[in-house]
Amino acid sequence: DAGVIQSPRHEVTEMGQEVTLRCKPISGHNSLFWYRQTMMRGLELLIYFNNNVPIDDSGMPEDRFSAKMPNASFSTLKIQPSEPRDSAVYFCASSFDEEQFFGPGTRLTVL
Amino acid sequence: GNSVTQMEGPVTLSEEAFLTINCTYTATGYPSLFWYVQYPGEGLQLLLKATKADDKGSNKGFEATYRKETTSFHLEKGSVQVSDSAVYFCALSNDSWGKLQFGAGTQVVVTP
Repeated sequence: DAGVIQSPRHEVTEMGQEVTLRCKPISGHNSLFWYRQTMMRGLELLIYFNNNVPIDDSGMPEDRFSAKMPNASFSTLKIQPSEPRDSAVYFCASSFDEEQFFGPGTRLTVL
Repeated sequence: GNSVTQMEGPVTLSEEAFLTINCTYTATGYPSLFWYVQYPGEGLQLLLKATKADDKGSNKGFEATYRKETTSFHLEKGSVQVSDSAVYFCALSNDSWGKLQFGAGTQVVVTP
């Protein structure tokens, strides 16, 4: 198994642009989690899905952030418009039971 | 609500030294407890876990025992290597969806 796949691995964009991060969970996993990691705030849970349904999006920082999971093998996290304070590493993780498997992350830089 | 508190880093050790990272938690019910490790430039990966009181999780020479009476899950390794340099996260789960509550992470630096 290839593990959790995230793309792109690195993204540099300018303030105001739309950014879309992508995640392919491990096949057979039914839960998917989006996290953000920064030095200042550490690891934050943004949103999570179970069987493609959003369960809790209380961690999404503001309306500029949105996430979708149209099917069991794909999820997106979109930021529109992006701001410099959104610069962080964004991780996707999937699970079938209690153990979460993390992807390699997308390092986002907003100039 | 749930919370996890772990010792602040960085923790700097010499190779072959003994490592302890303290972790305490607050939770309702009977959570499962985890230690995750993050190597530089990578995502987190599960190091070990324990699902009930007095269980001991172990992996790669690391151990942690679920202590309900002290609400703790301290991580230990008897002899660290340079390759153990990483950030270690303590976490708990008592959510049917598998949601994890992470601690702030402890950076460990092992020098030759």
